[in-house]
This record gives sequence, structure tokens and C-alpha cells, in this order.
Amino acid sequence: GAGVSQSPSNKVTEKGKDVELRCDPISGHTALYWYRQRLGQGLEFLIYFQGNSAPDKSGLPSDRFSAERTGESVSTLTIQRTQQEDSAVYLCASSLQAQAGNTIYFGEGSWLTVV
Amino acid sequence: KQEVTQIPAALSVPEGENLVLNCSFTDSAIYNLQWFRQDPGKGLTSLLLIQSSQREQTSGRLNASLDKSSGRSTLYIAASQPGDSATYLCAAGDNFNKFYFGSGTKLNVKP
Repeated sequence: GAGVSQSPSNKVTEKGKDVELRCDPISGHTALYWYRQRLGQGLEFLIYFQGNSAPDKSGLPSDRFSAERTGESVSTLTIQRTQQEDSAVYLCASSLQAQAGNTIYFGEGSWLTVV
Repeated sequence: KQEVTQIPAALSVPEGENLVLNCSFTDSAIYNLQWFRQDPGKGLTSLLLIQSSQREQTSGRLNASLDKSSGRSTLYIAASQPGDSATYLCAAGDNFNKFYFGSGTKLNVKP
């Protein structure tokens, strides 16, 4: 596609339920990143994928968070047993390579509200 | 861990004013420094990217400077316009294109 596509754009879920957020990167981009942005705050890095290499999961806040990516295409971020503090915008980004200097493109985000 | 701070958190100016947004970072071992614009309900748009070896970058009315040794960057906006109203985010980049973001400066330019 023309840009990074994320779905759903908005999700309201009950505390304790699991949610899945999807990211479709720009075609040909081998690097894919997930960030979280809480209200009034900057983006926090969660995880990134580079091709078929093992992902960098160093930013995941707890074991309730996980992400998968099939090859160099779609990625899914899963949050299990959601808590109210998980309410945030989850932003996905992609670049040609996971290397400094490559232009990074962000999606419009998935707004998650846990009630 | 890299910490990025932006001052001020919010700024309101009349149209036509020149303004400066400030960003500081704790770890000077960055590969680049990027300024983004974020509009409500939208993703991020890259404004300027300064490589670690550079001192500044310019695009139109925007000029960003980088002083890596002191851990500071500024974004200068000349002749501000209402269309410049948005949140401006500063982000320090590492060698894997991961970015560490500040909390942003919310700018309101009044007509």
C-alpha cells in the first residue's frame, strides 16, 4: 500500500479481555516497529522486527504483551488480560532497513481504551 | 537508557511570531535526531532529520540545530502560521532506527 496501515483505528475493550492490533507496513520495508503513546506523553518503543532476524523485544512492558510478524509483511501486537493502564495509542512504523538514516513512516495508530 | 526532555510542554503564540522549541537528551551517543509533527488523530510526520555529524538542517521556515556534546537540539519556526498548530516531538535515534521520544511541545498559533 501507499502507507503504513493499522487496524482497528479504535478499540474499546473490557478489562481482562485480550486484544489484537494489526499493522500492514509499506511494501518492501523489512523493518517494522511498534510504539505506545499514552495520553499527553511521547512514544515508548515496544518491539521491532528486521527481516527474519530475532525481534528486539526490549521495550515490551510485561509478558502480557507479545508481537508476531510473518516474514516481511503484516505484524500483530497482542495484549492479553488487558488492564486500564494499557489504554493508549499503539503506533506502528516501518522503514526499508532497521538502520539509522532510513526514513521511518508511521501509521495513524490504533486507539485502545480499556474500561 | 536514553531520556529525552522537551521544553516547553505547551506554547501559544500570535501568528507571525518566530519561536524556538527545545529538546535535550541524556546519552550523546545518538546516530541522528529527528523532529516530528503530530496532528490530533493522525500519525507522525517527519519534519527534519539531523545526522549525528551535522549541526543543523533547514526546510522552508523550519530550522533544526543539534549540539551532540551538550545533548541539545532546537527547532526554530519562523513566521509562525495557524497551520503550524500541532504537537512537535523530538526523537533521538540509535543505529537500529529505534527512536527515543520526548513528551512533545503542543503549539497553538493564534490567528
